[in-house]
Amino acid sequence: AQSVTQLGSHVSVSEGALVLLRCNYSSSVPPYLFWYVQYPNQGLQLLLKYTSAATLVKGINGFEAEFKKSETSFHLTKPSAHMSDAAEYFCAVTKSGNEKLTFGTGTRLTIIP
Amino acid sequence: GAVVSQHPSRVICKSGTSVKIECRSLDFQATTMFWYRQFPKQSLMLMATSNEGSKATYEQGVEKDKFLINHASLTLSTLTVASAHPEDSSFYICSASQSLAEQYFGPGTRLTVT
Repeated sequence: AQSVTQLGSHVSVSEGALVLLRCNYSSSVPPYLFWYVQYPNQGLQLLLKYTSAATLVKGINGFEAEFKKSETSFHLTKPSAHMSDAAEYFCAVTKSGNEKLTFGTGTRLTIIP
Repeated sequence: GAVVSQHPSRVICKSGTSVKIECRSLDFQATTMFWYRQFPKQSLMLMATSNEGSKATYEQGVEKDKFLINHASLTLSTLTVASAHPEDSSFYICSASQSLAEQYFGPGTRLTVT
């Protein structure tokens, strides 16, 4: 079975500062990993995904994540935070398409002006 | 491309009534659709997986007779909450998939049962 752990339910960063949201996974098979963003009262929007190709994945809105097998991690980063980045972020894992996603508990990102 | 809609976006109903939520893939055919439930400030919990033309597969602990799922076509799945009660109040989100490693999420439906 797959699982993901998101360290830090709340993260606050200043506008313009580095954003780092942590995700560690557990999987018995090579995983597919995802980061989603959710704005209040909305569904989820895919930021980026890792599907066993390049380990450094670039996504939308300037976000990127690096798959590190040795650390079983898939942390999300953005060099410079923007006020519009304030949202809930979810890391998720599956072992292939059309199978259920297992979500982490989410990290609420707050941007300090 | 890959747009998923849900209707309604918000619904308020009285305890004991049934509510139907629609999930549509607007520009692609979804072989599989998923239904999730999200409580305030919590993560998404998968309720069931449905494939077009077959019965839904429910996650452990989800009442099949209460949360009725129909996936009648490759573009439409419905979730009916039967005899809703206040504890069923939640945010329900669907997603649709057509190929490996791609799930597209709807905007969600806020259900409030009074």
